[in-house]
Amino acid sequence: EVQLVESGGGSVQPGGSLRLSCAASEFTFSDHYMDWVRQAPGKGLEWVGRIRNKARSYTTEYAASVKGRFTISRDDSKNSLYLQMNSLETEDTAVYYCIRAGVITRGKSAMDVWGQGTTVTVSS
Amino acid sequence: DIQMTQSPSSLSASVGDRVTITCRASQGINNYLVWFQQKPGKVPELLIYAASTLQSGVPSRFSGSGSGTDFTLTISSLQPEDFATYYCQHYNSYPLTFGGGTKVEIK
Repeated sequence: EVQLVESGGGSVQPGGSLRLSCAASEFTFSDHYMDWVRQAPGKGLEWVGRIRNKARSYTTEYAASVKGRFTISRDDSKNSLYLQMNSLETEDTAVYYCIRAGVITRGKSAMDVWGQGTTVTVSS
Repeated sequence: DIQMTQSPSSLSASVGDRVTITCRASQGINNYLVWFQQKPGKVPELLIYAASTLQSGVPSRFSGSGSGTDFTLTISSLQPEDFATYYCQHYNSYPLTFGGGTKVEIK
């Protein structure tokens, strides 16, 4: 069964940093684009960013709300995805999900499998 | 950025009812649209991709339609396990954006 397991969440003060990890298993991780999506308490879903695969030079895309503060990376040798979050703000408090973009429609990738999420709380 | 507007934001329905949720994109997205279902306290699950293709394992009472800017998710006969929040999301261009969600509650 395809599995994504996030870790690294926790509590941090505003202005601090945190690094989330996502361990992937039971699929060819290196083939896929990967996404991060977050959900603030009681709120809807917000796309954070995406990293493409090696064939697309591991290029990244980010939401405007996190661009310049968050960095997505991956290590295909470890089947792992990362989210480095710097200059954290209280508005970044959310559950962060790691997601495989495993459905491809005419060259565009959509999210299919979600991890269980890890909670990040930014508070003084 | 493409804005995704879902309506209604919530609805009450009974088991067996036919339910329709709409999603409108602020500009054309071809059929690059997915629908997710999120039950309380659970992780979102993919229901439909490419606007109308049912994800493997999803019951056939779910269907999607539309292209361009207007899309619908239909549940033909609502079941107890379908009470949840539903989100549309486009993947036509960046940034990817979600609709605000539609909460389906028990009448």
